[in-house]
This record gives sequence, C-alpha cells and structure tokens, in this order.
Amino acid sequence: GEDVEQSLFLSVREGDSSVINCTYTDSSSTYLYWYKQEPGAGLQLLTYIFSNMDMKQDQRLTVLLNKKDKHLSLRIADTQTGDSAIYFCAEPEYNQGGKLIFGQGTELSVKP
Amino acid sequence: DTGVSQDPRHKITKRGQNVTFRCDPISEHNRLYWYRQTLGQGPEFLTYFQNEAQLEKSRLLSDRFSAERPKGSFSTLEIQRTEQGDSAMYLCASSLAVSGEPQYFGPGTRLTVL
Repeated sequence: GEDVEQSLFLSVREGDSSVINCTYTDSSSTYLYWYKQEPGAGLQLLTYIFSNMDMKQDQRLTVLLNKKDKHLSLRIADTQTGDSAIYFCAEPEYNQGGKLIFGQGTELSVKP
Repeated sequence: DTGVSQDPRHKITKRGQNVTFRCDPISEHNRLYWYRQTLGQGPEFLTYFQNEAQLEKSRLLSDRFSAERPKGSFSTLEIQRTEQGDSAMYLCASSLAVSGEPQYFGPGTRLTVL
C-alpha cells in the first residue's frame, strides 16, 4: 500500500528559509497536499500541487515536486515564529478522492 | 459558512461507556471523512461518506465503532464500550466529490478514556 515518509524535526532561526521534505510511494497520485497543525488544533490546508507541475508558489510557500524520485518539498521563506507547527504531507489512496495517506509529520521549531 | 465544525471539542469518559461525536461539514461538500490521530502520528483514515452512503471503512474501524450520515449533511461517530486505546483526536474533514479537491478539516474532538 501507499506510504508517506517525512523527517520528524526541523529547527530554524526566524527569518531563515525552512525546507520540509516528503517521499511518497504511489506514482499514480495526481495531487499531493501539505497541511499544517498547531498544538491541539485540526489540520489547516496550506497548499496542494497537481502532478503535472514541478513547482507551485503561493506567497511565502514554494512546493517542489520530483515525480521521478517521488519526492515533495515545502519551502517556507522568511520563516516566522508563528510558523512553528507540525507539517504533514498527504497523498490520496487510489487517486479516487477517497482517503488521504499522511506522513508522520515534521515538527518545525522556529527560534527567535 | 465558517468551515467544518465538530462537537464536542473534548470528551473525557470512563472505560466501558459509549460516546458520540458530531461533525458538520462545509455546506456544499458531499464527501465527509473521519480520521483518528494519536500523539506523534499523522491522521489515520477511519471511514468516509459520499452524501448518505458510507463508501469505505478502514480495518481500524472495529465493530465497536459506527458512523452515520443519515441525511447527507452532518455525521455522527459512535464508539461503544470505550477502551483506553480509543483515546485519540478524532478529526472530521469534508470535500467536494471531484478528483483532487482538497479535504478541509474541523478542529477535532479530543477523547480521553480513563
């Protein structure tokens, strides 16, 4: 079955760029998603990318997709303390709009 | 519409009791999903509905768990005879039934079973 993997922790200084990486297994996935979760809260959709794209930029967020290596990354420019949270990447199973398969999440810590 | 809402936000119960959670999706969304999230893990799929039809259930959904969406709007998730291992965050999400449409999540219900 599908599997999504992420590194568990990332620590950066305020103002630096953060890059959160994700690998996935289902090469047929046409969409891949990034969510943000703050402590005790639900998941907030950050952005998503269609698989015919290599890159998508949305304000401070840049998503890069390498389909050959099944690698997805999320870059946050000018990282702020308010960006401290857990970030999840997710791919849909069967690509039919059903369940999402999530990674374990990357905890981003931003130090002032 | 303000997004997906869930009630209650927190529930503490004793082992063996039954609990029921409610989810109200974004109004025009015809798909509704339930996930469970334990500490330090990503959400795990439990079940989903398209309108009132329950289309898929995870093997995680034991016979103590039941979910309904009787009129294709709100949904309830009931856990009977709760066990300590049921302690988790229960997340609801909704989406349009269009390929690639993202799922939008509610704030979750935190269940603690003593």
